[in-house]
Amino acid sequence: AQSVTQLGSHVSVSEGALVLLRCNYSSSVPPYLFWYVQYPNQGLQLLLKYTSAATLVKGINGFEAEFKKSETSFHLTKPSAHMSDAAEYFCAVTPGNTPLVFGKGTRLSVIA
Amino acid sequence: GAVVSQHPSRVICKSGTSVKIECRSLDFQATTMFWYRQFPKKSLMLMATSNEGSKATYEQGVEKDKFLINHASLTLSTLTVTSAHPEDSSFYICSAKPSGNTIYFGEGSWLTVV
Repeated sequence: AQSVTQLGSHVSVSEGALVLLRCNYSSSVPPYLFWYVQYPNQGLQLLLKYTSAATLVKGINGFEAEFKKSETSFHLTKPSAHMSDAAEYFCAVTPGNTPLVFGKGTRLSVIA
Repeated sequence: GAVVSQHPSRVICKSGTSVKIECRSLDFQATTMFWYRQFPKKSLMLMATSNEGSKATYEQGVEKDKFLINHASLTLSTLTVTSAHPEDSSFYICSAKPSGNTIYFGEGSWLTVV
């Protein structure tokens, strides 16, 4: 069975600071991993995905994530936070043909 | 890119009535769609897997008679909340997957039962 753990339900950073959102997964088979962002009152938007190609994945809005099999992690980073990055971020995993399993989400606040 | 559209984006209904939410894949065919529910400040909970031309597969604890899912075509799945009650108020999101492993989500539908 797959599971996702997002460490920290709320992360607060200053504008211009590094953003680091943590995600650890558990999967019995090679996983496909995703990060989604949800802005207030909106649906989910795909930020980036790992599908067994390059371990460092670049996504939209300057975000990237690195798949580390040895650490079973897929942390999301952005070098410099912007006010518009304030949102809820969800890490998700699937072995392929089954629905996504989501983490509980991390709310990112950006302080001016 | 692939687009999944949900309608309505917001709906208010009276307690005891039924409301239908549509999920459409706009530029691809989806034999499988998924319906999620999201409570305020909570993560998404998978409700059911909608299969084109067959019965939906419901997750444990989800009332199939209350949340009716119909996947009548390769581009449309509907979720009908029957005899709605205030506790059914929530954000409902559908997703669909074209070929490959990327899953795309609809914009979501806010249901408020008064």
